Amino acid sequence: EDKVVQSPLSLVVHEGDTVTLNCSYEVTNFRSLLWYKQEKKAPTFLFMLTSSGIEKKSGRLSSILDKKELFSILNITATQTGDSAVYLCAVSFPGNTPLVFGKGTRLSVIA
Amino acid sequence: DSGVTQTPKHLITATGQRVTLRCSPRSGDLSVYWYQQSLDQGLQFLIQYYNGEERAKGNILERFSAQQFPDLHSELNLSSLELGDSALYFCASSADRGLNQPQHFGDGTRLSIL
Repeated sequence: EDKVVQSPLSLVVHEGDTVTLNCSYEVTNFRSLLWYKQEKKAPTFLFMLTSSGIEKKSGRLSSILDKKELFSILNITATQTGDSAVYLCAVSFPGNTPLVFGKGTRLSVIA
Repeated sequence: DSGVTQTPKHLITATGQRVTLRCSPRSGDLSVYWYQQSLDQGLQFLIQYYNGEERAKGNILERFSAQQFPDLHSELNLSSLELGDSALYFCASSADRGLNQPQHFGDGTRLSIL
């Protein structure tokens, strides 16, 4: 059975801190790993990673994939209260079959 | 704004009733996916349609059904509703055509069963 595990389940940090969120997976026929941010409504797409070792960056957020060790990390530097959300990791498969999601990491950034 | 539109935003109904949730995918996207999100289960895939045809089925109950119409919008029908069906129901769409494109999610329909 395909499995995606995120850690930690929740995290509380102060503004300005740097956080690292983890996502490990055990799946067959891996295609890509995706990160989403979910605040109150829709999961919002952040990154899609297909190759090992290539960092994707968007502002204070960055992510990298290790296909040998089967995990990805999402880094957020200089956190702000607006970063408070649930961060979801998902794995996609060839043929655009459905994503398999982890249960998410709930990040709370306090002033 | 993801470009995926879901209606209604909220739905309150009673046990035993039937409801229909509607989704319009992003312009040009052929694949539509339905997910259920409850507090303890996370995001669970229900069903996928591609260009009008069912493509994949997940943990969808027999009381639930879906379809995708020629204009590519999709509807999820939930019948004989039970208290446990209360959840957020998301629709997502992707371009497909063999490209590795991410799925984009609508804002969801919050279903509350009383």
